Amino acid sequence: GNSVTQMEGPVTLSEEAFLTINCTYTATGYPSLFWYVQYPGEGLQLLLKATKADDKGSNKGFEATYRKETTSFHLEKGSVQVSDSAVYFCALSAGNQFYFGTGTSLTVIP
Amino acid sequence: SQTIHQWPATLVQPVGSPLSLECTVEGTSNPNLYWYRQAAGRGLQLLFYSVGIGQISSEVPQNLSASRPQDRQFILSSKKLLLSDSGFYLCAWSLPSEAFFGQGTRLTVV
Repeated sequence: GNSVTQMEGPVTLSEEAFLTINCTYTATGYPSLFWYVQYPGEGLQLLLKATKADDKGSNKGFEATYRKETTSFHLEKGSVQVSDSAVYFCALSAGNQFYFGTGTSLTVIP
Repeated sequence: SQTIHQWPATLVQPVGSPLSLECTVEGTSNPNLYWYRQAAGRGLQLLFYSVGIGQISSEVPQNLSASRPQDRQFILSSKKLLLSDSGFYLCAWSLPSEAFFGQGTRLTVV
C-alpha cells in the first residue's frame, strides 16, 4: 500500500539554524511527492513538490530531493527564520489519492 | 482559477447536536474531494473521500457521514456530536499534481 512516514516533532530551532525534516514513503508505482506547510489556524499550502526520481523541489529556501533508492524526500533549509514556524506535512500522490504524513511541528525562536 | 470554500470557520456546538459543514469548489469539474480531521497537536486523519457524485469512501468508522449532492459540493455531517468530534476539519480537492485545501473549520463540542 501507499504511506508516508515523517519524523515526529516538535522541532525547536534557533533562528538561522539548519533544518532537516525526514520523510520516507512506501508506494506502488511512481508517486509524486510533496511538502505542505500549515501556519497556525490555516489550511495546508503547497510548499514544494517533485514528480520523478532525482527531481529537486524548492521554494522559499526550502529544498527536497526525490530519492527513489532510499524512498525518501527529506525537507531541508539552510537558515530558518521565525516566520518558518509552522507544521510541515510530507505527502505522496498515487492513483486518485493523496497520502499525508502525521506532520512535524517546527518552532523557530529568535 | 480554482478555489475552494469551506465554512464556517469556527463552530461551537453542544454534545448531541447535529453538524453540517459545507465545502464547495470552483473552477474545476469532477474533482476528487476529501474531508480530513486534525486533532490538537496531531496529524491529518482522512475521514472521507469522493471521486464523483454520490460516491463516498469512508476511511474510519465513526458517527460522521459525508455526502456529495453536486459535483463540486462536499458536506460533512453528524446526527449527534460527541466531545471527541472536536478538532480542525479540512476540506480538500486534488489533481494528480497537487492537493488544494480549504481554510478549515475549528469545531469545539462542549
